[in-house]
Amino acid sequence: DAGVTQSPTHLIKTRGQQVTLRCSPKSGHDTVSWYQQALGQGPQFIFQYYEEEERQRGNFPDRFSGHQFPNYSSELNVNALLLGDSALYLCASSLRDRYTEAFFGQGTRLTVV
Amino acid sequence: SQQGEEDPQALSIQEGENATMNCSYKTSINNLQWYRQNSGRGLVHLILIRSNEREKHSGRLRVTLDTSKKSSSLLITASRAADTASYFCATDKRSGANSKLTFGKGITLSVRP
Repeated sequence: DAGVTQSPTHLIKTRGQQVTLRCSPKSGHDTVSWYQQALGQGPQFIFQYYEEEERQRGNFPDRFSGHQFPNYSSELNVNALLLGDSALYLCASSLRDRYTEAFFGQGTRLTVV
Repeated sequence: SQQGEEDPQALSIQEGENATMNCSYKTSINNLQWYRQNSGRGLVHLILIRSNEREKHSGRLRVTLDTSKKSSSLLITASRAADTASYFCATDKRSGANSKLTFGKGITLSVRP
């Protein structure tokens, strides 16, 4: 049973560029959430997708957008990259209607130069 | 904003000793989860405790929850060098069917061989 998988593992982008990160949830999970973790900090909630719709959003600008596909996989897009967007981006999957654990992927390390 | 605040921020112990980590939070929750993170990689789920539970065990882990004090503790017994990692508590507060995790800044645990 594959857990949560994220790609790519590492990414280097230039300021102003756009980036797309990908996530495949754990088998059987229907909800995908994205988190940003800056160095030395705890993860911060970006948004959550269920049934291909954004259901909740944290305090992040519109430059951050996402998508969920019919197979529950998800993408995180960030436009007009800033140096401050450099962070570890984590994807978590869970079951929406149950009090279950959220399982995280290994993350994508994004560096903006 | 970060609801969970872990205490202490850093902990160094000898192999074989017990490690106790504390977490406080501010608002009511549905459940609280503890995670481990090695070297800035993905989060590994350790244990979930629901708001109507007071104590839970999993192997060498023991978690308590005191909702009246809005606090939780994670006890790792007979620590090993492999337990060296950052530990995070995350509170899950549901809004309807939507939920999101709010993390603290984490505790850095070092276990000396």
